[in-house]
Amino acid sequence: DTGVSQDPRHKITKRGQNVTFRCDPISEHNRLYWYRQTLGQGPEFLTYFQNEAQLEKSRLLSDRFSAERPKGSFSTLEIQRTEQGDSAMYLCASSPTRGVGGNQPQHFGDGTRLSIL
Amino acid sequence: AQKITQTQPGMFVQEKEAVTLDCTYDTSDPSYGLFWYKQPSSGEMIFLIYQGSYDQQNATEGRYSLNFQKARKSANLVISASQLGDSAMYFCAMRERGSGGSNYKLTFGKGTLLTVNP
Repeated sequence: DTGVSQDPRHKITKRGQNVTFRCDPISEHNRLYWYRQTLGQGPEFLTYFQNEAQLEKSRLLSDRFSAERPKGSFSTLEIQRTEQGDSAMYLCASSPTRGVGGNQPQHFGDGTRLSIL
Repeated sequence: AQKITQTQPGMFVQEKEAVTLDCTYDTSDPSYGLFWYKQPSSGEMIFLIYQGSYDQQNATEGRYSLNFQKARKSANLVISASQLGDSAMYFCAMRERGSGGSNYKLTFGKGTLLTVNP
């Protein structure tokens, strides 16, 4: 059973550049989530997909951020015109729909650490 | 207002002893779930244990148990027989049903850094 896979593990870029991260969820999971974690904090929710539908976006997700999950499998998170404040760990998680009332745990990938120079 | 409060930035425990990590939460949703995750220095988030708001009994998973006190809105994690490998950051998180009944996002606390001493 392969876990959630994220690529790349690390990304260093100059301010103003665009970056794109990829997440491959566990194969039978149709719920996919993106979170951002800054140093010394817990993860903060960014957005959520059920299959290919993006069902919720956090206010943290400014216009420079866009996420897609085109065929309900892998997902991408793009940040345009990166800023210093975008430096963080970007975590992807997935969960199945079976089970009662959302009690299925979210399984996280190892994250992509973004550093803005 | 903080939805998840973890008041212990750091905790120390001797190997083989038990330790309790505190978590209090705030919600008006009658249907919610509480999760604990472990994050070692390598960065991955590892699911430990889950407690649903309607569960009658406290959850247990191996050496992990959850002391769920609904009236006090607390969900403390108890780790028995601590091991050196338990040294990590521990996060409490809550899932609320939210509007439309389809919201499954997690809200995390700031975490507690646990150090197990030999």
